[in-house]
Amino acid sequence: DIVLTQAPLSVSVTPGESASISCRSSKSLLSSKGITSLYWYLQRPGKSPQLLIYQMSNLASGVPDRFSSSGSETDFTLKISKVETEDVGVYYCGHRLEYPMDTFGAGTKLELK
Amino acid sequence: EVQLVESGGGLVQPGRSLKLSCAASGFTFSNYYMAWVRQAPKKGLEWVATISTSGSRTYYPDSVKGRFTISRDNAKSSLYLQMNSLKSEDTATYYCASIAAISNVMDAWGQGASVTVSS
Repeated sequence: DIVLTQAPLSVSVTPGESASISCRSSKSLLSSKGITSLYWYLQRPGKSPQLLIYQMSNLASGVPDRFSSSGSETDFTLKISKVETEDVGVYYCGHRLEYPMDTFGAGTKLELK
Repeated sequence: EVQLVESGGGLVQPGRSLKLSCAASGFTFSNYYMAWVRQAPKKGLEWVATISTSGSRTYYPDSVKGRFTISRDNAKSSLYLQMNSLKSEDTATYYCASIAAISNVMDAWGQGASVTVSS
């Protein structure tokens, strides 16, 4: 099974500054169709997960463009520019390359300074 | 507006059964693959089951295979998770989610149903 490793486990950010979260895959997430099967969710405190990014770099509907994602076949970065109060929560990367199984990273907690 | 509302959670003894339901609205339920994902207290997300649009294909991780059964009723726009032989490690919040065809990811989630397995 492909394992996703997120870093750091937690990050503290001053409002208005940027934050980056890393997600590393134990194997390439590039599918035979040329799509990178990597997505990002945000789970705000006490809420269910919300999709942020799919197919490595596509912004989900309604997600502000302060969020962006990039990477290679195995190393990915979620960047949040101008962090706001509503961005607090746990960020999870995940993949679906081994369809239909979904695998998630352990999560990165974002807090405000 | 897409809505997914889970129900049926609660406290159950080890070895017993419980059935969760998820009522869907705001989209054409029968066109979407659906899934269940759980989250143990203070832990991360774990995929539990996926079902095809017609219900003819179902998928599970080894951790629940043979004990859990996912099903759906497209006429009622409802998703189910039958959980048998429950263990303490099944204690979690269970979320239902719809899988978007274009992005092939879980793009809408319910608020979750809490299941506690304890004697």
